[in-house]
Amino acid sequence: GIQVEQSPPDLILQEGANSTLRCNFSDSVNNLQWFHQNPWGQLINLFYIPSGTKQNGRLSATTVATERYSLLYISSSQTTDSGVYFCAVGGYNQGGKLIFGQGTELSVKP
Amino acid sequence: DADVTQTPRNRITKTGKRIMLECSQTKGHDRMYWYRQDPGLGLRLIYYSFDVKDINKGEISDGYSVSRQAQAKFSLSLESAIPNQTALYFCATAGTGWETQYFGPGTRLLVL
Repeated sequence: GIQVEQSPPDLILQEGANSTLRCNFSDSVNNLQWFHQNPWGQLINLFYIPSGTKQNGRLSATTVATERYSLLYISSSQTTDSGVYFCAVGGYNQGGKLIFGQGTELSVKP
Repeated sequence: DADVTQTPRNRITKTGKRIMLECSQTKGHDRMYWYRQDPGLGLRLIYYSFDVKDINKGEISDGYSVSRQAQAKFSLSLESAIPNQTALYFCATAGTGWETQYFGPGTRLLVL
């Protein structure tokens, strides 16, 4: 099955700093989503981005499908950005199932 | 998303008890999924359903069963709960094709 690796596993930032989170996957995909899990455990959809680039406020994401990676950019980080960021992918033969990476735990300090 | 609801939100039970977690959605989606999250880990798929008559096992289905009562409802049962089923459980929905999955708020289950 598809393998998903996220890096770094942990990240500590000062408020206002920028960061880049990476997601590598081992096979072709037709679904890639980024999620933010807040400290209360809720999963929040950030991007559906199997290819290309999207931006939403201070967040943006780029997926290079041919090279099997995706990047999530967080600019001018805020303490409310803290939590775990997950990348999840679905392959052509996965029947709509998502395979999750292990996540990047982000802590933004004031 | 408020369009996907899970009940209960928190549950404590004892080893050997049968419990049911429920998921409802108002998004009109055909596909529904149950995932489990253990501390410090990503989510793993337990069961999924593409319509009322289609139920499929995920990667960790042992010890679980599901019921798709209607397009909008998908329930997960633990037939005889054990402590290592203590986890955060998520329900998700998606439309047909390769679309965004939307997750419910999760159910925290503690098995003593």
